Amino acid sequence: EAQVTQNPRYLITVTGKKLTVTCSQNMNHEYMSWYRQDPGLGLRQIYYSMNVEVTDKGDVPEGYKVSRKEKRNFPLILESPSPNQTSLYFCASSFRTGYDYTFGSGTRLTVV
Amino acid sequence: KNEVEQSPQNLTAQEGEFITINCSYSVGISALHWLQQHPGGGIVSLFMLSSGKKKHGRLIATINIQEKHSSLHITASHPRDSAVYICAVGETSGSRLTFGEGTQLTVNP
Repeated sequence: EAQVTQNPRYLITVTGKKLTVTCSQNMNHEYMSWYRQDPGLGLRQIYYSMNVEVTDKGDVPEGYKVSRKEKRNFPLILESPSPNQTSLYFCASSFRTGYDYTFGSGTRLTVV
Repeated sequence: KNEVEQSPQNLTAQEGEFITINCSYSVGISALHWLQQHPGGGIVSLFMLSSGKKKHGRLIATINIQEKHSSLHITASHPRDSAVYICAVGETSGSRLTFGEGTQLTVNP
């Protein structure tokens, strides 16, 4: 089944403890991206990747890192999480930009 | 002013009603996407369109590039259509997706 897999689905962590949210797609898509969703603000892009080893900042990149060493994986790294990063996170992929998107199931992160 | 604006923010309908959700945008776009988000949180892509009209079952999406406006229509609405509907535009550069705040639709039996 074609899908984008995010892990974990839920995570509660403490301020400053490094964490990684994984994202993997099995559709050989070139484009992958991360979004956060907050009440009243909607979805906002954090980082995106046009292909392997090519990443760029979205609208809200502060406090996040990404890497794209393999085509299928695009992990989101929070080096020192803070409470304002409490949010619902989505990974998505697309064959290329301008094509349809497939979203992961989301990761609900709480930083205390 | 947001680059992508949706209306209405909230919509309550009775089962069987015809529903319209509107999306206006202010940037140059390569494509417009309509997404559906159910209460569980998962997001599903409904349509991607760059011109004209698309239909899938009871859902119809239209776009007017000159007026920078798109509509999502649901015919014969059903309680299972209750969800948040999100409009998103892919900018001309192709690398950025900008979202509207969503429309919460509730269809009562």
